[in-house]
Amino acid sequence: GQQLNQSPQSMFIQEGEDVSMNCTSSSIFNTWLWYKQDPGEGPVLLIALYKAGELTSNGRLTAQFGITRKDSFLNISASIPSDVGIYFCAGQGTASKLTFGTGTRLQVTL
Amino acid sequence: DAGVIQSPRHEVTEMGQEVTLRCKPISGHDYLFWYRQTMMRGLELLIYFNNNVPIDDSGMPEDRFSAKMPNASFSTLKIQPSEPRDSAVYFCASSFGMAGELFFGEGSRLTVL
Repeated sequence: GQQLNQSPQSMFIQEGEDVSMNCTSSSIFNTWLWYKQDPGEGPVLLIALYKAGELTSNGRLTAQFGITRKDSFLNISASIPSDVGIYFCAGQGTASKLTFGTGTRLQVTL
Repeated sequence: DAGVIQSPRHEVTEMGQEVTLRCKPISGHDYLFWYRQTMMRGLELLIYFNNNVPIDDSGMPEDRFSAKMPNASFSTLKIQPSEPRDSAVYFCASSFGMAGELFFGEGSRLTVL
């Protein structure tokens, strides 16, 4: 099935640094979502975006719905060790189902 | 309130055996999704239900896979016969409406030898 392209695939950063990751698609989406997956767990929703150009924050997380509706960005400020995990973007078009990105694996060192 | 509950958490079986994975969605949610996660293919949607009715099963790999949702609080994903390439983590997720805010279970890790 179709997948969204996320970059970077993995990141190694130091505690306290800011993190940026993005997601691109060849298709237009009406909704963009960002999930985080911890080892051995299912993905957990972080942020949902419903309007092109929308910028939404959730604590240290900020995400944007690209104006073209074909991309989205997630930023994490002042990273901490518990930010470690895999971050997935997901897009939803006119149908109910979500298409997930390939994931960005984040490692945080002290 | 309990989240999405999946069982078993881990299953190891031999090729050719039947595998049944179970899911209890969040009470009140009207959409249920089955996903498969592998390193090679990431998260793939297999099938989803709305009000217990299968809506899109285009992601089901082949006839060996089947899914049912006999009532609003229970769904099964069955693989018969299982093959080594079916080894993956299978996730069930549910949502209320089409907003895309899926809630995932902890997954069932399947290993087929």
